[in-house]
Amino acid sequence: EDQVTQSPEALRLQEGESSSLNCSYTVSGLRGLFWYRQDPGKGPEFLFTLYSAGEEKEKERLKATLTKKESFLHITAPKPEDSATYLCAVRGDNNAGNMLTFGGGTRLMVKP
Amino acid sequence: DSGVTQTPKHLITATGQRVTLRCSPRSGDLSVYWYQQSLDQGLQFLIQYYNGEERAKGNILERFSAQQFPDLHSELNLSSLELGDSALYFCASSAGGTYNEQFFGPGTRLTVL
Repeated sequence: EDQVTQSPEALRLQEGESSSLNCSYTVSGLRGLFWYRQDPGKGPEFLFTLYSAGEEKEKERLKATLTKKESFLHITAPKPEDSATYLCAVRGDNNAGNMLTFGGGTRLMVKP
Repeated sequence: DSGVTQTPKHLITATGQRVTLRCSPRSGDLSVYWYQQSLDQGLQFLIQYYNGEERAKGNILERFSAQQFPDLHSELNLSSLELGDSALYFCASSAGGTYNEQFFGPGTRLTVL
């Protein structure tokens, strides 16, 4: 069974203070690791897909990296508008259809 | 805006009742997924449809059922509702291929009193 663990559960940063969010996973045959951003009461917003170890993707202040056991979401010089819950999900070979298995998320708060 | 629409946004009902949630996927997407998000369980996969056919089932209760219609919109039916069914229900869609990203709708917040 695929498993995803995210840490920390919550993270408070000052504006401009860079940090990283961790996503550890176990999956049989990774067919994609996905990062989403979710604002309170809203649907998850797609950020990145990573497929193989060593892959990196960037978007504005966010950079996602992938190893064989974990993924990191690096946030450089965050702004208050980056405050949200960041969700990590995996799709594996054993998953029926294309279902995603999600982690519990990291709630990020960026103070001005 | 992901292009996925869900109605209604909010639903308040009583225990034992039945409700229907509706989802329209992004234009061109053939796959529709339903997820449940509660405070203690996080985002949990319920069921997937691809071009009208059930493709995969997750931890979906027998009291819940879904279908995808020829115009590709989908409905999630929840019956004999219990207090514990209160949650956010999200629909997502994708083009259908194995590696395609899923795009989520705004969700329906269900409150069972």
